[in-house]
Amino acid sequence: QQPVQSPQAVILREGEDAVINCSSSKALYSVHWYRQKHGEAPVFLMILLKGGEQKGHEKISASFNEKKQQSSLYLTASQLSYSGTYFCGPPNNAGNMLTFGGGTRLMVKP
Amino acid sequence: KAGVTQTPRYLIKTRGQQVTLSCSPISGHRSVSWYQQTPGQGLQFLFEYFSETQRNKGNFPGRFSGRQFSNSRSEMNVSTLELGDSALYLCASSGGLAGEWGNNEQFFGPGTRLTVL
Repeated sequence: QQPVQSPQAVILREGEDAVINCSSSKALYSVHWYRQKHGEAPVFLMILLKGGEQKGHEKISASFNEKKQQSSLYLTASQLSYSGTYFCGPPNNAGNMLTFGGGTRLMVKP
Repeated sequence: KAGVTQTPRYLIKTRGQQVTLSCSPISGHRSVSWYQQTPGQGLQFLFEYFSETQRNKGNFPGRFSGRQFSNSRSEMNVSTLELGDSALYLCASSGGLAGEWGNNEQFFGPGTRLTVL
């Protein structure tokens, strides 16, 4: 089942912070996060692993909520280059596919 | 290291035709996944191959098929094209062992933009 991302879109000024959520009806064991700029391929940001460990981009962090049915991606001190569509993608139990959420469009303005 | 490459980048076909798309993963990667991206449905999983074996298939009709060769290059084929097959088709490769797949990043190729008229 596809995870639900919120918000669907957000506009920020440079330097502001943002939080993007990824909610699932089942517990998440890990979550991949990717960013896609218009006309380009998705690019890996980070993986939030089962125990809360993170693997990836240094300036981006993520966490699970208590029930692990939601992951939140934290973007701090946003830069213009952060603009794009953010996708979360939990792997399935078998560990051979990602089911991506509908995406969150983020626009950072000067 | 060269990235994931996909050919062709753009393709225009008519309804009823068939098409084959190609994906060359990053050297050393044994897993290749395919996704369909459309404005309405988003990024949807098609199938994943690991060392020439299809390990999973998404909820797509049998007209969508794929294969992986011994050098890890992969192809996907769509037969009897329909207008709704117009989409960006992305492939992604990842490294590591089969059991580590979920813990390894996916490297996406630039995609093949398929237009069905």
